[in-house]
Amino acid sequence: GQQLNQSPQSMFIQEGEDVSMNCTSSSIFNTWLWYKQEPGEGPVLLIALYKAGELTSNGRLTAQFGITRKDSFLNISASIPSDVGIYFCAGLNYGGSQGNLIFGKGTKLSVKP
Amino acid sequence: NAGVTQTPKFQVLKTGQSMTLQCAQDMNHNSMYWYRQDPGMGLRLIYYSASEGTTDKGEVPNGYNVSRLNKREFSLRLESAAPSQTSVYFCASSGRQGALGYTFGSGTRLTVV
Repeated sequence: GQQLNQSPQSMFIQEGEDVSMNCTSSSIFNTWLWYKQEPGEGPVLLIALYKAGELTSNGRLTAQFGITRKDSFLNISASIPSDVGIYFCAGLNYGGSQGNLIFGKGTKLSVKP
Repeated sequence: NAGVTQTPKFQVLKTGQSMTLQCAQDMNHNSMYWYRQDPGMGLRLIYYSASEGTTDKGEVPNGYNVSRLNKREFSLRLESAAPSQTSVYFCASSGRQGALGYTFGSGTRLTVV
């Protein structure tokens, strides 16, 4: 089946640093989504991307839908302690059967004050 | 607050016991999903329901059954729990075939001893 390769698996950074993570796939997707999961909670949607080449921001977060439709990137600028969590990418092909949201394995972010 | 509600939050079972995880959403979404999350494995789809009255297997359905009771509720049943089913279980729902992303509940942490 379809798989997403998300990297890095984990990051340990200093407060104030910028963060980059990415997802790649052997298949194309119609939609790329980025989620954040905090300890003890479910994933929460951060950014949704719908067009190849699209660049979307949400505060200090910026995500891009790769031009090949097989990858996506998430950047966090000037990290703060509350950015700690696990970030998941997800690819979606809608229009067909349901259950087509494919998740990466996550990037665990730790921020040192 | 509108969203996805899961019960219980925590559960400990003995091997061979049965239990049902409950999920309800109040967003009038057509589709609902059950995922399990294990360390290093990301989120894996167990079962999903594209609409009321339909259910389909996901990536890891063995050992589980589901019931879409009505549009709001989607339950997950473990008939004979095994230690390999120790995990965190998340319910999610979506509208518009998932194009706006999935909304997740806060999870049920299940331990089978």
